[in-house]
Amino acid sequence: DAKTTQPTSMDCAEGRAANLPCNHSTISGNEYVYWYRQIHSQGPQYIIHGLKNNETNEMASLIITEDRKSSTLILPHATLRDTAVYYCIVRAHSSGNTPLVFGKGTRLSVIA
Amino acid sequence: GAVVSQHPSRVICKSGTSVKIECRSLDFQATTMFWYRQFPKQSLMLMATSNEGSKATYEQGVEKDKFLINHASLTLSTLTVTSAHPEDSSFYICSAREGTAPNQPQHFGDGTRLSIL
Repeated sequence: DAKTTQPTSMDCAEGRAANLPCNHSTISGNEYVYWYRQIHSQGPQYIIHGLKNNETNEMASLIITEDRKSSTLILPHATLRDTAVYYCIVRAHSSGNTPLVFGKGTRLSVIA
Repeated sequence: GAVVSQHPSRVICKSGTSVKIECRSLDFQATTMFWYRQFPKQSLMLMATSNEGSKATYEQGVEKDKFLINHASLTLSTLTVTSAHPEDSSFYICSAREGTAPNQPQHFGDGTRLSIL
């Protein structure tokens, strides 16, 4: 699976949009981009995933560049409860049983 | 939505004790489950892949005789830390993917914090 690069940490004011970038310049055609987050002392929580089109759900939006070498997770109105480590993961879909491999992620701090 | 339940959430025990952690998929069948370990301020590290009805596949450096994995049914996998020592203290997290379709997200339990005294 392709490697991802994320900033170590970010701050965001409560109520503002949080934009979390991820670089995956070596992504291949059959690899999806997944986003998870981990709130302190809990298991990772699935947020969203996409292949090449932008995606939106009740939690967030995922914007993938046309060349697919980077993406941005957008939390439209960040709250204090969104403070967590956010992981961007690229995963091939050649097999349904390959696990997710976690990098270091971005520690997002939402500030009141 | 798909839920993965992990039990217990916290264990404190003496050195030399064996500890069993259960991972259940509550509303879906999981032929494959994954076990991760997370040390403080570090990311999740994959320990092993658990396959229903067959032997688990362990990552390099993970002792299979130390961390026994049993996946006896499509909804239950167990991890037993045998003769645990203080260095085994960690946050253990299980995960499962709903169905076999490659596009299904992977769901995680809430983890088990193991403290060996």
